[in-house]
Amino acid sequence: NAGVTQTPKFRVLKTGQSMTLLCAQDMNHEYMYWYRQDPGMGLRLIHYSVGEGTTAKGEVPDGYNVSRLKKQNFLLGLESAAPSQTSVYFCASSWSGNNQPQHFGDGTRLSIL
Amino acid sequence: DQQVKQNSPSLSVQEGRISILNCDYTNSMFDYFLWYKKYPAEGPTFLISISSIKDKNEDGRFTVFLNKSAKHLSLHIVPSQPGDSAVYFCAAKYNNNDMRFGAGTRLTVKP
Repeated sequence: NAGVTQTPKFRVLKTGQSMTLLCAQDMNHEYMYWYRQDPGMGLRLIHYSVGEGTTAKGEVPDGYNVSRLKKQNFLLGLESAAPSQTSVYFCASSWSGNNQPQHFGDGTRLSIL
Repeated sequence: DQQVKQNSPSLSVQEGRISILNCDYTNSMFDYFLWYKKYPAEGPTFLISISSIKDKNEDGRFTVFLNKSAKHLSLHIVPSQPGDSAVYFCAAKYNNNDMRFGAGTRLTVKP
């Protein structure tokens, strides 16, 4: 019973490099989300998806792109990484957005030098 | 613009006593509130929620109180157990997809 799985768990990048974070859920959830968590701050929504083939911007979308080609997967891309994107990234999923609690993965710790 | 605030970064409580975690919000449009619990190196896990049409919701040892006029909610844990030691996040929603989180309160329950 995996729930929400994030890959990789840790990564170090150099400024300007690109990478993709993968999120997979096995609960058949419609909604998926990407958050970042920085010290002294709560989780902030980057992008979200309300279904396969759809994406939308959250609170802090700049510098990130996402894709939801399959219902179970939600990818977060950094085209040109910047030190300000050093953070812990969490993926979450839910049945719907309608007051359904979100289920979170264990996070990806990303450092950009 | 932090719309959800947890002003106490940490709280220490003796085992068996009550833990009270507080959360304030500024956006009167929020209509659903949640508490999440987070252990180190894990993702947040859902604990309890409350709709804005209620002022109290209880689930076992956990009770959430909502005071809309004061824009304040609190989480009560009674009795507190060492396994409750974690970071607790308050979150609030005002549409289906936009959830705002507080910065978290680290609870330590001492045996």
